[in-house]
Amino acid sequence: AQRVTQPEKLLSVFKGAPVELKCNYSYSGSPELFWYVQYSRQRLQLLLRHISRESIKGFTADLNKGETSFHLKKPFAQEEDSAMYYCALGSSGSARQLTFGSGTQLTVLP
Amino acid sequence: DAGVIQSPRHEVTEMGQEVTLRCKPISGHDYLFWYRQTMMRGLELLIYFNNNVPIDDSGMPEDRFSAKMPNASFSTLKIQPSEPRDSAVYFCASSRQGAGANVLTFGAGSRLTVL
Repeated sequence: AQRVTQPEKLLSVFKGAPVELKCNYSYSGSPELFWYVQYSRQRLQLLLRHISRESIKGFTADLNKGETSFHLKKPFAQEEDSAMYYCALGSSGSARQLTFGSGTQLTVLP
Repeated sequence: DAGVIQSPRHEVTEMGQEVTLRCKPISGHDYLFWYRQTMMRGLELLIYFNNNVPIDDSGMPEDRFSAKMPNASFSTLKIQPSEPRDSAVYFCASSRQGAGANVLTFGAGSRLTVL
Protein backbone atom coordinates (compact mmCIF):
# COMPACT_ATOMS: atom_id res chain seq x y z
CA ALA A 1 0.00 0.00 0.00
CA GLN A 2 1.15 3.52 -0.69
CA ARG A 3 0.96 6.21 1.93
CA VAL A 4 1.93 9.88 2.17
CA THR A 5 2.54 11.64 5.46
CA GLN A 6 2.65 15.38 5.94
CA PRO A 7 3.29 15.80 9.65
CA GLU A 8 2.41 19.49 9.86
CA LYS A 9 -1.17 20.59 9.35
CA LEU A 10 -0.28 24.23 9.89
CA LEU A 11 2.97 26.06 9.32
CA SER A 12 3.64 29.75 9.80
CA VAL A 13 6.79 31.61 8.83
CA PHE A 14 7.71 35.24 8.43
CA LYS A 15 8.27 36.81 5.05
CA GLY A 16 11.85 36.32 3.94
CA ALA A 17 12.43 33.32 6.17
CA PRO A 18 13.22 29.88 4.78
CA VAL A 19 10.39 27.41 4.63
CA GLU A 20 10.33 23.63 4.48
CA LEU A 21 7.20 21.56 4.14
CA LYS A 22 7.80 17.97 5.06
CA CYS A 23 6.60 14.95 3.16
CA ASN A 24 7.39 11.29 3.77
CA TYR A 25 6.08 8.42 1.74
CA SER A 26 5.74 4.69 1.88
CA TYR A 27 5.78 2.75 -1.36
CA SER A 28 7.30 -0.54 -2.41
CA GLY A 29 7.85 0.31 -6.06
CA SER A 30 9.41 3.17 -7.95
CA PRO A 31 7.66 6.34 -6.78
CA GLU A 32 6.56 9.41 -8.64
CA LEU A 33 6.33 12.34 -6.26
CA PHE A 34 4.48 15.62 -6.73
CA TRP A 35 3.61 18.78 -4.90
CA TYR A 36 0.21 20.29 -5.57
CA VAL A 37 -0.85 23.69 -4.28
CA GLN A 38 -4.22 25.29 -3.62
CA TYR A 39 -4.23 29.05 -3.23
CA SER A 40 -7.20 30.69 -1.58
CA ARG A 41 -10.27 30.53 -3.82
CA GLN A 42 -8.33 28.84 -6.60
CA ARG A 43 -8.16 25.36 -8.01
CA LEU A 44 -5.75 22.73 -6.84
CA GLN A 45 -2.85 22.76 -9.28
CA LEU A 46 0.45 21.07 -9.86
CA LEU A 47 3.41 22.94 -8.38
CA LEU A 48 6.22 20.58 -9.26
CA ARG A 49 7.14 16.95 -9.85
CA HIS A 50 10.35 15.23 -8.87
CA ILE A 51 11.28 13.98 -12.31
CA SER A 52 11.34 17.54 -13.65
CA ARG A 53 14.02 18.60 -11.18
CA GLU A 54 13.04 22.21 -11.65
CA SER A 55 12.37 25.19 -9.44
CA ILE A 56 8.89 26.64 -9.58
CA LYS A 57 8.15 29.98 -7.91
CA GLY A 58 11.40 29.52 -6.03
CA PHE A 59 10.36 26.16 -4.61
CA THR A 60 12.43 23.00 -4.99
CA ALA A 61 11.96 19.46 -3.78
CA ASP A 62 14.46 16.64 -3.82
CA LEU A 63 13.47 13.02 -3.70
CA ASN A 64 15.46 11.20 -1.03
CA LYS A 65 14.83 7.51 -1.49
CA GLY A 66 16.94 6.57 1.51
CA GLU A 67 14.80 8.66 3.83
CA THR A 68 11.66 8.20 1.69
CA SER A 69 11.13 11.93 1.76
CA PHE A 70 10.21 14.65 -0.69
CA HIS A 71 10.36 17.86 1.31
CA LEU A 72 9.41 21.15 -0.33
CA LYS A 73 11.76 24.04 0.28
CA LYS A 74 12.07 27.73 -0.46
CA PRO A 75 14.89 29.88 0.85
CA PHE A 76 12.91 33.11 1.18
CA ALA A 77 9.16 32.84 1.70
CA GLN A 78 6.80 35.43 0.23
CA GLU A 79 3.31 36.35 1.38
CA GLU A 80 1.86 35.08 -1.88
CA ASP A 81 3.17 31.62 -0.99
CA SER A 82 0.43 31.29 1.60
CA ALA A 83 -1.64 28.32 0.50
CA MET A 84 -2.48 24.69 1.16
CA TYR A 85 0.22 22.35 -0.06
CA TYR A 86 -0.34 18.70 -0.80
CA CYS A 87 2.34 16.13 -1.35
CA ALA A 88 1.24 13.33 -3.66
CA LEU A 89 2.58 9.91 -4.53
CA GLY A 90 1.97 8.32 -7.90
CA SER A 91 1.95 4.70 -8.84
CA SER A 92 4.33 3.80 -11.61
CA GLY A 93 2.32 0.70 -12.42
CA SER A 94 -0.48 0.42 -14.87
CA ALA A 95 -3.07 1.65 -12.39
CA ARG A 96 -2.67 5.39 -12.43
CA GLN A 97 -3.79 7.08 -9.26
CA LEU A 98 -2.40 9.61 -6.87
CA THR A 99 -2.34 9.28 -3.13
CA PHE A 100 -2.38 12.66 -1.45
CA GLY A 101 -1.07 13.60 1.94
CA SER A 102 -3.33 15.40 4.38
CA GLY A 103 -1.92 18.77 3.38
CA THR A 104 -0.05 21.58 5.10
CA GLN A 105 -1.54 25.05 5.35
CA LEU A 106 1.32 27.49 4.95
CA THR A 107 0.89 31.04 6.19
CA VAL A 108 3.58 33.59 5.44
CA LEU A 109 3.35 36.46 7.86
CA PRO A 110 4.33 40.03 6.90
CA ASP B 1 -9.80 24.84 -23.39
CA ALA B 2 -11.91 25.90 -20.41
CA GLY B 3 -10.32 23.28 -18.23
CA VAL B 4 -12.21 20.78 -16.12
CA ILE B 5 -15.74 22.02 -15.60
CA GLN B 6 -17.79 21.02 -12.58
CA SER B 7 -21.36 21.77 -11.66
CA PRO B 8 -22.95 22.82 -9.46
CA ARG B 9 -20.38 24.93 -7.65
CA HIS B 10 -22.47 24.91 -4.50
CA GLU B 11 -25.24 22.61 -3.42
CA VAL B 12 -27.23 22.74 -0.22
CA THR B 13 -29.66 19.93 0.34
CA GLU B 14 -31.49 18.13 3.07
CA MET B 15 -30.62 14.75 4.45
CA GLY B 16 -32.16 11.99 2.41
CA GLN B 17 -32.19 13.86 -0.87
CA GLU B 18 -30.41 12.71 -3.98
CA VAL B 19 -27.39 14.71 -5.06
CA THR B 20 -25.83 14.62 -8.52
CA LEU B 21 -22.50 16.25 -9.24
CA ARG B 22 -21.31 16.70 -12.80
CA CYS B 23 -17.94 16.92 -14.46
CA LYS B 24 -16.67 17.66 -17.95
CA PRO B 25 -13.01 16.68 -18.30
CA ILE B 26 -10.50 18.28 -20.61
CA SER B 27 -10.97 17.11 -24.16
CA GLY B 28 -8.48 14.41 -25.04
CA HIS B 29 -7.77 13.38 -21.48
CA ASP B 30 -8.02 9.67 -20.84
CA TYR B 31 -8.31 9.57 -17.06
CA LEU B 32 -10.99 11.07 -14.86
CA PHE B 33 -10.83 11.16 -11.09
CA TRP B 34 -13.31 12.03 -8.37
CA TYR B 35 -11.87 13.26 -5.08
CA ARG B 36 -13.49 14.36 -1.84
CA GLN B 37 -11.90 17.02 0.36
CA THR B 38 -12.72 17.49 4.05
CA MET B 39 -10.91 19.19 6.90
CA MET B 40 -10.62 15.95 8.81
CA ARG B 41 -9.50 13.60 6.05
CA GLY B 42 -7.94 15.86 3.44
CA LEU B 43 -8.14 14.70 -0.18
CA GLU B 44 -9.51 11.22 -0.73
CA LEU B 45 -9.74 9.46 -4.07
CA LEU B 46 -13.22 8.10 -4.53
CA ILE B 47 -13.03 6.56 -7.98
CA TYR B 48 -11.21 6.91 -11.26
CA PHE B 49 -11.94 6.05 -14.87
CA ASN B 50 -9.70 5.23 -17.78
CA ASN B 51 -11.26 5.66 -21.21
CA ASN B 52 -14.70 5.85 -19.58
CA VAL B 53 -14.24 2.55 -17.73
CA PRO B 54 -14.19 2.56 -13.92
CA ILE B 55 -10.83 1.19 -12.81
CA ASP B 56 -10.81 1.55 -9.05
CA ASP B 57 -13.80 2.44 -6.93
CA SER B 58 -12.38 1.21 -3.64
CA GLY B 59 -12.51 4.74 -2.27
CA MET B 60 -16.25 5.06 -2.67
CA PRO B 61 -17.41 5.17 0.95
CA GLU B 62 -20.72 3.36 0.70
CA ASP B 63 -23.30 2.00 -1.66
CA ARG B 64 -25.00 5.36 -1.42
CA PHE B 65 -22.28 6.68 -3.72
CA SER B 66 -22.18 5.85 -7.41
CA ALA B 67 -20.31 7.27 -10.38
CA LYS B 68 -20.75 6.95 -14.10
CA MET B 69 -18.94 8.07 -17.19
CA PRO B 70 -21.25 7.49 -20.16
CA ASN B 71 -18.85 9.14 -22.61
CA ALA B 72 -15.46 10.77 -22.79
CA SER B 73 -16.79 14.24 -22.04
CA PHE B 74 -19.07 13.68 -19.08
CA SER B 75 -19.14 12.05 -15.67
CA THR B 76 -21.50 12.11 -12.72
CA LEU B 77 -21.12 11.37 -9.05
CA LYS B 78 -24.38 10.57 -7.34
CA ILE B 79 -25.19 10.31 -3.65
CA GLN B 80 -28.51 8.74 -2.75
CA PRO B 81 -29.63 9.22 -0.05
CA SER B 82 -27.38 12.02 1.15
CA GLU B 83 -26.32 12.38 4.78
CA PRO B 84 -24.79 15.30 6.73
CA ARG B 85 -21.44 13.52 6.87
CA ASP B 86 -21.26 13.70 3.08
CA SER B 87 -20.76 17.45 3.37
CA ALA B 88 -17.46 18.19 1.64
CA VAL B 89 -15.91 19.65 -1.47
CA TYR B 90 -15.93 17.18 -4.34
CA PHE B 91 -13.28 17.61 -6.98
CA CYS B 92 -13.13 16.18 -10.43
CA ALA B 93 -9.78 15.96 -12.20
CA SER B 94 -8.53 14.61 -15.50
CA SER B 95 -5.20 13.67 -17.00
CA ARG B 96 -3.67 12.35 -20.17
CA GLN B 97 -2.45 8.80 -20.69
CA GLY B 98 1.27 8.17 -20.57
CA ALA B 99 3.97 10.01 -18.68
CA GLY B 100 1.56 12.74 -17.67
CA ALA B 101 -1.06 10.45 -16.19
CA ASN B 102 -0.32 11.71 -12.70
CA VAL B 103 -0.33 15.36 -13.73
CA LEU B 104 -3.90 16.13 -12.85
CA THR B 105 -5.92 19.13 -13.89
CA PHE B 106 -8.54 19.84 -11.28
CA GLY B 107 -11.92 21.43 -11.57
CA ALA B 108 -13.04 24.21 -9.26
CA GLY B 109 -14.91 21.75 -7.06
CA SER B 110 -18.51 21.31 -5.93
CA ARG B 111 -19.13 22.32 -2.34
CA LEU B 112 -21.88 20.10 -0.91
CA THR B 113 -23.70 20.87 2.31
CA VAL B 114 -26.19 18.33 3.59
CA LEU B 115 -28.41 19.64 6.36
